[in-house]
Amino acid sequence: QKEVEQNSGPLSVPEGAIASLNCTYSDRGSQSFFWYRQYSGKSPELIMSIYSNGDKEDGRFTAQLNKASQYVSLLIRDSQPSDSATYLCAVKGGGTASKLTFGTGTRLQVTL
Amino acid sequence: NAGVTQTPKFQVLKTGQSMTLQCAQDMNHNSMYWYRQDPGMGLRLIYYSASEGTTDKGEVPNGYNVSRLNKREFSLRLESAAPSQTSVYFCASKGTGTDTQYFGPGTRLTVL
Repeated sequence: QKEVEQNSGPLSVPEGAIASLNCTYSDRGSQSFFWYRQYSGKSPELIMSIYSNGDKEDGRFTAQLNKASQYVSLLIRDSQPSDSATYLCAVKGGGTASKLTFGTGTRLQVTL
Repeated sequence: NAGVTQTPKFQVLKTGQSMTLQCAQDMNHNSMYWYRQDPGMGLRLIYYSASEGTTDKGEVPNGYNVSRLNKREFSLRLESAAPSQTSVYFCASKGTGTDTQYFGPGTRLTVL
């Protein structure tokens, strides 16, 4: 079982719709959770971080964390063509080492 | 403020050749990381340095060596390149008191 799992997609949503991206993780001691966006041929850039159960909103982005279900999600409201990218879920596990484990990413396509 | 820089951007090697990938950050971060990214595999940690003077193996260290030259610079060396090391290599850094990593632009390496 992979430590961080994401559906590879592509996830296709029409412009203006809500895109929902999901991620599950296996380490119950995980402490910190991140969503990175990666455009084709570019490096990952951080868009959201979340540390406690519940929702965290930042503009059109909402991260949701449920530690009991070992599940983290990213909602993108009013999706735009510029949101088309691969979204990487990253998890910092339990322990003191500051290492992130990344999922393989979900490719999002926002269609006109 | 350049953030994290990497050189070179592209490199083609023949099997058995050696090379060093350079990474530097100007954010006064203590921790630095080297990842490789392959299609369908996500980002995998090769080596990391939690602080100047220390280095540790990540998930896929075989065939690589690293040097934390000073607080700013963290290099990755391939002593005898193999086609299996064809990949995109990303360097990242992280400050103290946070788990957020910031990525460089990447080096695209092809080993023939």
